[in-house]
Order: sequence, then structure tokens, then C-alpha cells
Amino acid sequence: NAGVTQTPKFQVLKTGQSMTLQCAQDMNHEYMSWYRQDPGMGLRLIHYSVGAGITDQGEVPNGYNVSRSTTEDFPLRLLSAAPSQTSVYFCASRLKGWNEAFFGQGTRLTVV
Amino acid sequence: RKEVEQDPGPFNVPEGATVAFNCTYSNSASQSFFWYRQDCRKEPKLLMSVYSSGNEDGRFTAQLNRASQYISLLIRDSKLSDSATYLCVVRSPGGGADGLTFGKGTHLIIQP
Repeated sequence: NAGVTQTPKFQVLKTGQSMTLQCAQDMNHEYMSWYRQDPGMGLRLIHYSVGAGITDQGEVPNGYNVSRSTTEDFPLRLLSAAPSQTSVYFCASRLKGWNEAFFGQGTRLTVV
Repeated sequence: RKEVEQDPGPFNVPEGATVAFNCTYSNSASQSFFWYRQDCRKEPKLLMSVYSSGNEDGRFTAQLNRASQYISLLIRDSKLSDSATYLCVVRSPGGGADGLTFGKGTHLIIQP
């Protein structure tokens, strides 16, 4: 019953460093998304994917890259970390058509 | 006007009381509506879908008013464990990965 697994749970980066946030789901969901959540801002969509090999930008894509080589995995890459990217990041997945979205436990990222 | 608006609260409510809060949405073409619950420093989880005829799940009742473009959540006999942030989620054509737009959440605190 793993569901959606995100790693790491916590991360501190220095400005300019790069890193990859991992997201994996074992429910064979077609749709996967990355959100960031900031105080007073709610959840904002960064990038999403409707299937392996297909990705698209969300509301706040700048500074982030994604790829979807398999159905299970949807990593989020920070190219050159900036303090403005300090946030809590959530990965979510769901089946095609409206079904419940399942979220990972989140990654708390601090960029100093 | 923001797409999905919620009163951020906090709503401070004594244990055992009834509490209700609304969420308004701007897109009249919105198709599906949901309430998610998010505990402090945790991921959002689906609380309940909102159906046109209204629906109930135990102490929770959700209503949809398409004419006035709002949904509501009523919690009866509130418990300490109901303390959380409640996110309104609306599915609309043309928005986000699958049209999902999240409200910023209403913070509920149940006091003993």
C-alpha cells in the first residue's frame, strides 16, 4: 500500500545548487502532477503529465524541469535553486478521468 | 475575481458545535467539486466529493449551489480531530492538468 512516495522529506540547498525531487506511484495512474504550497498561496501547479512521455507546464513552471519516462516515476528537477523556491512540494497522481487525487507526503525544501 | 475563494479563517469552534464554511468559484462551466482535508504539515486527502443534490457522510454534509456558484461544508458535532485546513477543489475545463483549481483553504480549530 505504498501509494505515492516522495523523497526526500526534507532538504536544504544552497543558492545555485541543483537537485531532483523523486516521486513514484504504484497505482498505475496515468496522471501525475507536481505542486508547491506556500503560506497564503495555496497549492500551485508546477508541471504535470498525462502519461509516460508526455509532460506540460502548469502555473509556475520556471526554474523546474520534469520528465516521465515510465508510468511510475515523475521526478522534478530544480536547475539552479533560488531562495524563492523555498516551499513544500507535493506530488500527486490519479487515474484518467476524474477520480480521487492521491498526494505524496511532501518535500520541505529550504534554499539558503 | 479569483477562481476559487475561501475564507482563510481561522474558525475557532467549541467541541460539539456545528460549523459551516463556503467556497465560491468563478467558472460557471465548472464540472466537479470536492473538499479535501489537510492536517498540519501533512498532504491533502480527499474528504468528500460534492454532488449536485448534496451529500452526507456521517457528520459531514456538502452542498452545491450552481446558481450562486458556491459549495459548502457543514460539520456537525465537531470533534477535536476535525481541526485541520479544508481545501475546496474545483474541476473546470481548460484549467491546470485536469482542470483542478485549489482554494487556499479554511483553517478550522476545534477547542475543548
